[in-house]
Amino acid sequence: NAGVTQTPKFRILKIGQSMTLQCTQDMNHNYMYWYRQDPGMGLKLIYYSVGAGITDKGEVPNGYNVSRSTTEDFPLRLELAAPSQTSVYFCASSLRGGTKNIQYFGAGTRLSVL
Amino acid sequence: DQQVKQNSPSLSVQEGRISILNCDYTNSMFDYFLWYKKYPAEGPTFLISISSIKDKNEDGRFTVFLNKSAKHLSLHIVPSQPGDSAVYFCAASPNQGGKLIFGQGTELSVKP
Repeated sequence: NAGVTQTPKFRILKIGQSMTLQCTQDMNHNYMYWYRQDPGMGLKLIYYSVGAGITDKGEVPNGYNVSRSTTEDFPLRLELAAPSQTSVYFCASSLRGGTKNIQYFGAGTRLSVL
Repeated sequence: DQQVKQNSPSLSVQEGRISILNCDYTNSMFDYFLWYKKYPAEGPTFLISISSIKDKNEDGRFTVFLNKSAKHLSLHIVPSQPGDSAVYFCAASPNQGGKLIFGQGTELSVKP
């Protein structure tokens, strides 16, 4: 029972490089989310999607892009990596939004930008 | 503007005793509250939730209390076990959508 799978688990980038963080879920969930967690802070929403082809900005979208071409996949793109993007990134999914929204998380991607 | 706050970064409790983790919120539009538990190198996992129409929800050793007038919720763990040692996040959901707003987390350490 895979749930939400994120790759890679760790990555070191140089300033200005780009990369894509992969996220896939096998629960047939409509909603998917990307969060970042900085030390001593809670999770902050970067982008979310309510279904294939539909995405919207969260609280901290600057410097990131997303796409949702299938129900299963929700990749996060960093175009020009900056040290401020050093963080742990979590992908999550839920069956629906609204109240009683229980989100299921992947194990995270730890990213360092040097 | 931190809408969900967990003012205690850490909490240490003896095994068998009660652990009480607190969470305050500012937005009266929140109508569903959740607690997540996170072990190192893992993603958060759902623990327990409560709707704003209730003031208590219990699941085994875990009970969540909601005080709407004070905009405060708490998670009680009784009895605490060493395996409960983790970071606990409080989260709130506004009734207009599926987004969750997370607190900063409280690291619980249960000592044998």
